[in-house]
Amino acid sequence: QVQLVESGGGVVQPGSSLRLSCAASGFAFSYSALHWFRQAPGKGLEWVAVISSSGGERFYADSVKGRFTISRDNSKNTVFLQMDSLRDEDTAVYYCARVPNEAGGLNWLDPWGQGSLVTVSS
Amino acid sequence: IQLTQSPSALSASVGDSVTISCRASQGVRRLLAWYQQKPGNAPKLLIYDASSLRGGVPSRFSGSGSGADFTLTISSLQPEDFATYYCQQFNSYPITFGQGTRLEIK
Repeated sequence: QVQLVESGGGVVQPGSSLRLSCAASGFAFSYSALHWFRQAPGKGLEWVAVISSSGGERFYADSVKGRFTISRDNSKNTVFLQMDSLRDEDTAVYYCARVPNEAGGLNWLDPWGQGSLVTVSS
Repeated sequence: IQLTQSPSALSASVGDSVTISCRASQGVRRLLAWYQQKPGNAPKLLIYDASSLRGGVPSRFSGSGSGADFTLTISSLQPEDFATYYCQQFNSYPITFGQGTRLEIK
């Protein structure tokens, strides 16, 4: 079945870096745009970034632009989120999610991964 | 585009019917989805394109609306429906969500 599994979360200090991975299976990965979202503890959902199926188009939320980089390796069915210059307010569960058709990134998301917790704290 | 859900919290009993509203700060055509999230779990898609039911989702869930006003209706609530519900617009970037509606057991 379609599955997304995030990894790479952890506890880091402000100003440091972390790279999240999202391994996909059960669908034609290279045809799907993929997103990262996050959810701070007890808060709602926030869109972070999107990458097109080819990797040629990427968009970011203003809150992470210039600090986070989304990328993908279609040969490994994996999407990444490189997070640099981390701040306390980046603390959240990070989810990857798939666009369930061959349309562009502006779409509904299905499914979502189980999430990876990133804690930024000194 | 800002999405405002109402109410923010709702208490209901098993068997009740409930409606959650989602209002957009500008028109999003029918480019709106609804998700269910339970504590400790990822969101799950319920409705896309404002009113299309995702395969495998019970028919007691329904969505309606277009432009700036949308509703999610759950008829005959079941115990497993008590969760938080979010609307999401995909008309333009940045993708945005409503603040969530927490549905609790009365």
